[in-house]
Amino acid sequence: GQSLEQPSEVTAVEGAIVQINCTYQTSGFYGLSWYQQHDGGAPTFLSYNALDGLEETGRFSSFLSRSDSYGYLLLQELQMKDSASYFCAVRDLGAGANNLFFGTGTRLTVIP
Amino acid sequence: GAVVSQHPSRVICKSGTSVKIECRSLDFQATTMFWYRQFPKQSLMLMATSNEGSKATYEQGVEKDKFLINHASLTLSTLTVTSAHPEDSSFYICSAGKRESSYNEQFFGPGTRLTVL
Repeated sequence: GQSLEQPSEVTAVEGAIVQINCTYQTSGFYGLSWYQQHDGGAPTFLSYNALDGLEETGRFSSFLSRSDSYGYLLLQELQMKDSASYFCAVRDLGAGANNLFFGTGTRLTVIP
Repeated sequence: GAVVSQHPSRVICKSGTSVKIECRSLDFQATTMFWYRQFPKQSLMLMATSNEGSKATYEQGVEKDKFLINHASLTLSTLTVTSAHPEDSSFYICSAGKRESSYNEQFFGPGTRLTVL
């Protein structure tokens, strides 16, 4: 099976930097993804890491350490519109490589 | 781009009726689509993998006779909730990936909110 853990809630100030951590357990790790979901909306893709290291896409960066079964999403220059839920998700070779299994989600609240 | 649509966006039905939800990939072909359900303030739970031209693969604990999945073409998958009960009320979301991006990115439909009275 798969299990992913994230902090349930994070609050940060507009303009600041916030890091959302994710630890995972899978039978056949194939990659870690991050998705953003606003209330009532569909998840949208943010980033994907298959190898160790940092991937940067604009204000968002994602890091992976396969030896630690750990990753994080870094959001810089926070904006009010970044208030949303953020999910890490793993692809598990053992379960069908294209299947995504989502973490518990972190609700980010950006305050002025 | 890669756009996935769902229909209907919202449905309210009486207990015991069946509800069909459609998921379409509008500008790409999807040999595989995925169905999720999400309860309020909770994570997305993978229900099943829908395979074009073959039977769906269901996750453990998901009743295949209750949640019927049909992947009739490369752009359409349907989920039918049979004999719906109030506990089936949830947000149902489909997704698809693209072969050319190695399925690294999943594109999600806007979701269908089902309320069973």
